[in-house]
Amino acid sequence: DTGVSQDPRHKITKRGQNVTFRCDPISEHNRLYWYRQTLGQGPEFLTYFQNEAQLEKSRLLSDRFSAERPKGSFSTLEIQRTEQGDSAMYLCASSVDRGIFGETQYFGPGTRLLVL
Amino acid sequence: AQKITQTQPGMFVQEKEAVTLDCTYDTSDPSYGLFWYKQPSSGEMIFLIYQGSYDQQNATEGRYSLNFQKARKSANLVISASQLGDSAMYFCAMREGNTGGFKTIFGAGTRLFVKA
Repeated sequence: DTGVSQDPRHKITKRGQNVTFRCDPISEHNRLYWYRQTLGQGPEFLTYFQNEAQLEKSRLLSDRFSAERPKGSFSTLEIQRTEQGDSAMYLCASSVDRGIFGETQYFGPGTRLLVL
Repeated sequence: AQKITQTQPGMFVQEKEAVTLDCTYDTSDPSYGLFWYKQPSSGEMIFLIYQGSYDQQNATEGRYSLNFQKARKSANLVISASQLGDSAMYFCAMREGNTGGFKTIFGAGTRLFVKA
């Protein structure tokens, strides 16, 4: 078990370009979360998958953002027409379904995005 | 209104001393869970400890304990016998069981500096 992995670790792009991030959760984990973290702040929830179903999306997730989790394994987060305000750390976390409270979310190392 | 408030942007503690990191929360949901995470400079979020709203006893995990005062809506993290490796950002977080869906809400964090 190598933990949650994310790729790439760093991404620099120009405004208006599209970017895609990948998250590979811990293999037996059926829950997957995406968060965004800006400098000096805590992570903000973006979206949640249970297996392949996207069950919850934050209002932070504008129509430029789309996330998928085909076959309930890895997940991708795509940002279209990036803006400078999208610059942040994008964190992925996975967990095993143990009810809504006590689950432990295991986080990946994050993808740091810089939009020029 | 802020759901999670961490009023200490930074804290210093002498190695081997105990330190308390403050967290207050705001919810009208009777069912909720409270979490603490550590984020070293590498960026990865590490789960430390969990407290459920119906738990009668304060949670403990090794050198970490959670001072849960339900009536005051506080969930302070106590780290005993601080080590240099404890220097990191610490985030308090909450999930609301009936109203919050799958969203975990994080505070802004407290940066802990452990002095040798």
